[in-house]
Amino acid sequence: AQSVSQHNHHVILSEAASLELGCNYSYGGTVNLFWYVQYPGQHLQLLLKYFSGDPLVKGIKGFEAEFIKSKFSFNLRKPSVQWSDTAEYFCAVTFHSGGYQKVTFGIGTKLQVIP
Amino acid sequence: GAGVSQSPRYKVAKRGQDVALRCDPISGHVSLFWYQQALGQGPEFLTYFQNEAQLDKSGLPSDRFFAERPEGSVSTLKIQRTQQEDSAVYLCASSLPKRTGLGWARQPQHFGDGTRLSIL
Repeated sequence: AQSVSQHNHHVILSEAASLELGCNYSYGGTVNLFWYVQYPGQHLQLLLKYFSGDPLVKGIKGFEAEFIKSKFSFNLRKPSVQWSDTAEYFCAVTFHSGGYQKVTFGIGTKLQVIP
Repeated sequence: GAGVSQSPRYKVAKRGQDVALRCDPISGHVSLFWYQQALGQGPEFLTYFQNEAQLDKSGLPSDRFFAERPEGSVSTLKIQRTQQEDSAVYLCASSLPKRTGLGWARQPQHFGDGTRLSIL
């Protein structure tokens, strides 16, 4: 079965540090890739998405992610984190299945940014 | 409100009781999904509707789980004879598939706040 792996379950950084969260998926076919963020007490929000084209995707709030097909990876990056980035981050993948998008989520990474 | 609305936000029930969770998708969204998010886990797919048709219910964990969307808008997830392992956050998401010249273009899903279900 298709799966999504997030390597870091809990990350603690100081403000202004750089961030990279790993995400790998297991599927050799066509995929769509997403990063969602869940701030404390709030619902899941889309951070960025990759469907096709330029593998370097820029999202909101200075986040970006790079799709490396050969590595089955879609790592999330941010050059300088802020305290307000404290949240849980979920990598998600849709494995092309019929005409709709059945999303498989990773386990999530809790990011804590220390002022 | 333009977002996906779920009610109640919190539900506490005794083991064995039936519960019903409601989802109001974004107006006009054809696709509706239910997910279950256990503590410390990512959301896991339960079921999918396209309009009123339930096209995929492969993620429903048992026959105690039942979902419906009779008029193609509001959806209800019902859990009968609840068990402690049903305790989780239940998320609803909706999206509007975009028709293109190449077929259906996949669109991101918009999530509600979820219903936190606790079974005592």
